[in-house]
Amino acid sequence: GAVVSQHPSRVICKSGTSVKIECRSLDFQATTMFWYRQFPKQSLMLMATSNEGSKATYEQGVEKDKFLINHASLTLSTLTVTSAHPEDSSFYICSARDWRTSTDTQYFGPGTRLTVL
Amino acid sequence: ILNVEQSPQSLHVQEGDSTNFTCSFPSSNFYALHWYRWETAKSPEALFVMTLNGDEKKKGRISATLNTKEGYSYLYIKGSQPEDSATYLCARTTDSWGKLQFGAGTQVVVTP
Repeated sequence: GAVVSQHPSRVICKSGTSVKIECRSLDFQATTMFWYRQFPKQSLMLMATSNEGSKATYEQGVEKDKFLINHASLTLSTLTVTSAHPEDSSFYICSARDWRTSTDTQYFGPGTRLTVL
Repeated sequence: ILNVEQSPQSLHVQEGDSTNFTCSFPSSNFYALHWYRWETAKSPEALFVMTLNGDEKKKGRISATLNTKEGYSYLYIKGSQPEDSATYLCARTTDSWGKLQFGAGTQVVVTP
């Protein structure tokens, strides 16, 4: 099956710093990737849709200036949490769709645990 | 129902026993229902994508059914094994773009 990697798996940073998370499709091209986050004991919630070569679209309530998304190639999308604060501490996970297949299956990375001190 | 809901939140199963659990979702604007298995520290693994009312899918000892009219899907595990221990997530989409709306998951623990 299609493989998606995510880096780093875990990051701890100080309040006010920026953190970049990478999401890569390893064996397929992904024109569209999705970013989700999960707070403790809650569902995975969609943050934004990342489109290769164009601006990301954000879900209601997600600050686009705080969560910068760049999808510069068909295999890489990055999420940058700018000026991170403790309330941004969460689990962030990306997914990508393999448009070569006829199914709607999405493939997920293993996620990134962000802790902001 | 407005959100995707899964029940129970967790369950413990004896090895060899069969089990099942539920995903409920809004029946309006339905496009597809996805099931994932998520083991700790790993990527969620896609199990099924289901689109048609009455659809049944099977993968080894795991199977799923779909009722789009009443808005629910069942996942069945036959003859549970310790390696089936995981959190099972369901998610619906409302169009072909693929924005997943997830339930909170059912955590399954299979004890030898």
